[in-house]
Amino acid sequence: TQLLEQSPQFLSIQEGENLTVYCNSSSVFSSLQWYRQEPGEGPVLLVTVVTGGEVKKLKRLTFQFGDARKDSSLHITAAQPGDTGLYLCAEASNTGKLIFGQGTTLQVKP
Amino acid sequence: NAGVMQNPRHLVRRRGQEARLRCSPMKGHSHVYWYRQLPEEGLKFMVYLQKENIIDESGMPKERFSAEFPKEGPSILRIQQVVRGDSAAYFCASSPESSDNSPLHFGNGTRLTVT
Repeated sequence: TQLLEQSPQFLSIQEGENLTVYCNSSSVFSSLQWYRQEPGEGPVLLVTVVTGGEVKKLKRLTFQFGDARKDSSLHITAAQPGDTGLYLCAEASNTGKLIFGQGTTLQVKP
Repeated sequence: NAGVMQNPRHLVRRRGQEARLRCSPMKGHSHVYWYRQLPEEGLKFMVYLQKENIIDESGMPKERFSAEFPKEGPSILRIQQVVRGDSAAYFCASSPESSDNSPLHFGNGTRLTVT
């Protein structure tokens, strides 16, 4: 069974700071998805990474997929209070079922 | 274009009662997935259904929990004789097909509280 470990579990920073959260696996990912979940809402897909070494950017968010496809990172530049939320990585099986990490709770203070 | 609709948003049940959670997938989506989430944790897969079929129920507790997705109407997650440990947020997601390239669209969940 694929195990996804995310770190850190909780992060509290000031507005304007940079941060990186990590997602690691015990085995190779077929593909990896990153989601953001705000309180009281369902997760929303941010990005899917498929190819080892891939880098994708979404405004101030940069997603990297490790060369060996066993790890991924999400870097946020100049964090804003609106970035506050739970960040989840997940691997999709060929049936579409997602296996999630336990998430990183990010709090950005104004 | 309505997203995935879940109701009720909040549900309070006493121990021993039944809880019924409903999920209407996005239009055109015939694949439904149910997940459970405890506070500040990731989502745990419960069950994957297509119309009238359970495809994967490997995450469902063996007793008291059941799920269906009839030909007409929403998918239902049913919890019989609820206990305090069932208190959690239950999320439904849908997709038009089953593949790792087809993103899931999540509803906003039902928060079940067992008193």
